[in-house]
Amino acid sequence: AQSVTQLGSHVSVSEGALVLLRCNYSSSVPPYLFWYVQYPNQGLQLLLKYTTGATLVKGINGFEAEFKKSETSFHLTKPSAHMSDAAEYFCAVSDQTGGFKTIFGAGTRLFVKA
Amino acid sequence: SQTIHQWPATLVQPVGSPLSLECTVEGTSNPNLYWYRQAAGRGLQLLFYSVGIGQISSEVPQNLSASRPQDRQFILSSKKLLLSDSGFYLCAWSGGLRANTGELFFGEGSRLTVL
Repeated sequence: AQSVTQLGSHVSVSEGALVLLRCNYSSSVPPYLFWYVQYPNQGLQLLLKYTTGATLVKGINGFEAEFKKSETSFHLTKPSAHMSDAAEYFCAVSDQTGGFKTIFGAGTRLFVKA
Repeated sequence: SQTIHQWPATLVQPVGSPLSLECTVEGTSNPNLYWYRQAAGRGLQLLFYSVGIGQISSEVPQNLSASRPQDRQFILSSKKLLLSDSGFYLCAWSGGLRANTGELFFGEGSRLTVL
């Protein structure tokens, strides 16, 4: 079975500061890993994903994440926070079997202070 | 390009009333389709997924059911709503078979309040 743990339900940073959102996963098979962003009362939008290959993955809006198999982690970072980054972020894991069922973490709400 | 439409966006229903949420996908064929429910602080819970017409897999026993009458149409239903059915429901699709990259594409969501 797969699972995802996001450390910290709320994270607050100042504008221009580093953003670090933590995600650890559990999977008995090679995982596909994702970060999604959700703005209020909207659906989720993919930020970035890791499937195979390079372990440092770059996404939209300046975000990136690094797959570390030894630590079973996939933390999301952005060097400099912008007010528009305030949203809820979800880490997710899926396997590669038919149906591609995706398991989501509980989410981390990011607050950006001026 | 592919689009996903979900409606209604907001719904207020009394306990015991029926429910029908609809989702359609355009611009792709043979998608995998999903219904998720989102509760505050609990992330997204997968309710149903479908890999083809008439093929429904249920992830969680509950008061809800799903149907896929057409390739790109996915319906979430209930005969009698419970208070605990309140939440934000999200429909999503992904590529089917060899077209699947693992990425999910979400609709805008339907907020259901059961009173």
